[in-house]
Amino acid sequence: QKEVEQNSGPLSVPEGAIASLNCTYSDRGSQSFFWYRQYSGKSPELIMFIYSNGDKEDGRFTAQLNKASQYVSLLIRDSQPSDSATYLCAVDYNNNDMRFGAGTRLTVKP
Amino acid sequence: GAVVSQHPSRVICKSGTSVKIECRSLDFQATTMFWYRQFPKQSLMLMATSNEGSKATYEQGVEKDKFLINHASLTLSTLTVTSAHPEDSSFYICSAYDSSGANVLTFGAGSRLTVL
Repeated sequence: QKEVEQNSGPLSVPEGAIASLNCTYSDRGSQSFFWYRQYSGKSPELIMFIYSNGDKEDGRFTAQLNKASQYVSLLIRDSQPSDSATYLCAVDYNNNDMRFGAGTRLTVKP
Repeated sequence: GAVVSQHPSRVICKSGTSVKIECRSLDFQATTMFWYRQFPKQSLMLMATSNEGSKATYEQGVEKDKFLINHASLTLSTLTVTSAHPEDSSFYICSAYDSSGANVLTFGAGSRLTVL
């Protein structure tokens, strides 16, 4: 069973804080990992992807991947109210087989 | 970047009618497109994989005769909800892998279907 697990939240952080979103996956053979953001009533949009163990930074966002632990996370620094959304973790198991987690709802309070 | 266009964005129909939703890849060719459904405050659920020139692959529990998928060209896939009922009211989203080779899934803007 190919599963992607996320804490559904809601996760609430104050403005300016670091938001930490976590995701675990079941298939050790997974190669590609993605974080999408979905605002209410809208479709998902890609934030970033990561393929290799370690950290990948893009502006205020950092994705962290640990394949040994089958764990991928997203850190959002200096969180803003506009970051309030549902964050979806996605794992591409074998090209053309993308699985999504249920999403974590993040609220950033001014 | 890759753009997936979806139309219509909103549709309201009467129970028993059929509704067609179009998904187009605007600046790239997509041999495979994906159709998702999302109920309020729930996660994305993959309904089917649309394959250009061949039959779609449906996920378990999705009725292929109710959700007709046609992928007649490399840039267009359509989802037809046949004999729609109120329980089919949902947010339908299509997606495709872009052509960058990075395995990035790009989503259309979604179509909100309301069946009265």
